[in-house]
Amino acid sequence: KAGVTQTPRYLIKTRGQQVTLSCSPISGHRSVSWYQQTPGQGLQFLFEYFSETQRNKGNFPGRFSGRQFSNSRSEMNVSTLELGDSALYLCASSGTSQAGELFFGEGSRLTVL
Amino acid sequence: QKEVEQNSGPLSVPEGAIASLNCTYSDRGSQSFFWYRQYSGKSPELIMFIYSNGDKEDGRFTAQLNKASQYVSLLIRDSQPSDSATYLCAVNRVSGGYNKLIFGAGTRLAVHP
Repeated sequence: KAGVTQTPRYLIKTRGQQVTLSCSPISGHRSVSWYQQTPGQGLQFLFEYFSETQRNKGNFPGRFSGRQFSNSRSEMNVSTLELGDSALYLCASSGTSQAGELFFGEGSRLTVL
Repeated sequence: QKEVEQNSGPLSVPEGAIASLNCTYSDRGSQSFFWYRQYSGKSPELIMFIYSNGDKEDGRFTAQLNKASQYVSLLIRDSQPSDSATYLCAVNRVSGGYNKLIFGAGTRLAVHP
């Protein structure tokens, strides 16, 4: 069974640009969560999608957005990039009703110059 | 005050010793608690979860929960160098009727031969 796949794995952008990250969950998983990981802040919750609906959102500015498609694949977008957006963006999928059992992808490492 | 607090470490223990990792949380309504392990350069993986007060054992790992003290811990017996990683404590929080997982910043464990 394939794991969670995130693309691209690495990317470099400049301030003011926008970026779109993609996540394909484990087959059969309908919940996809996104996290930002930085050395100083740790894992910060961005949002969670289930059946194309955003069910929960973290405390991030509106520049961070996401969506989920009917095949459960998810994308997140960050507009008007800032230096502080440099981070590892992790996607996690879940197939159970029990929250907390997350399966993480390898992440997309974003560097903003 | 952060919702989930952990000592960042590093916690250094000799091979064969017991490693004790601690976590406190602020939301008294939290019901489920998780420990994830993250090797350097890798994504987090779930190693244990606990819902009820007391101890839960799984192989060399024991999770302990004390809801009155809002305290969760993870004990690793017979520590091995392969246990060297960052251990993330996570707490499930219900928001808007849905669950989201809040992570601590993690404790780095170093097991030396």
